[in-house]
Amino acid sequence: KAGVTQTPRYLIKTRGQQVTLSCSPISGHRSVSWYQQTPGQGLQFLFEYFSETQRNKGNFPGRFSGRQFSNSRSEMNVSTLELGDSALYLCASSGTSGIIKYFGPGTRLTVT
Amino acid sequence: DAKTTQPNSMESNEEEPVHLPCNHSTISGTDYIHWYRQLPSQGPEYVIHGLTSNVNNRMASLAIAEDRKSSTLILHRATLRDAAVYYCIPTNFQGAQKLVFGQGTRLTINP
Repeated sequence: KAGVTQTPRYLIKTRGQQVTLSCSPISGHRSVSWYQQTPGQGLQFLFEYFSETQRNKGNFPGRFSGRQFSNSRSEMNVSTLELGDSALYLCASSGTSGIIKYFGPGTRLTVT
Repeated sequence: DAKTTQPNSMESNEEEPVHLPCNHSTISGTDYIHWYRQLPSQGPEYVIHGLTSNVNNRMASLAIAEDRKSSTLILHRATLRDAAVYYCIPTNFQGAQKLVFGQGTRLTINP
């Protein structure tokens, strides 16, 4: 079956703009979680959605938001971009086992 | 969230076994020990998980100490493709799918 897909794979934005990233989980998976990876902070949990509801949230400012649709696809949005938001954004999906086994390839966001 | 301690880096030779240690002395009784790895320029990849007993799968083996305060991921015959950052994460995924990544161990495999 198809893996976790993320679009776009690469993105360049300017400070102050906003950006929307998309994640399609493995078919049948209802949980989607998002992570930010930077050289300085490593991999950090952003938030998790399950059945269209945010179930858990990491320690990020309100500029970072997300949502999940009825088909389990998820989007995350970052408003008023800052240079420090340049990172690899990863999403992961999990099914009934509850174990996160599948990550997407990530979206590389560069803010200039 | 349980704190973990892993060596920053390790080095091994191709086709030799590799033992990657992890200390998790504050692990709770319901936490499973999960291992993930991240190859260069890729997202993390699930490797293995266990609760108390040692576990084996096609990728690796997981040896868990009797007191559960430490574990060791064993790659039986390392290949160049095993060069990655390895993360040990105690969690039980109760209520939310959330992983707390530490710094991990960067494994280098010499040909």
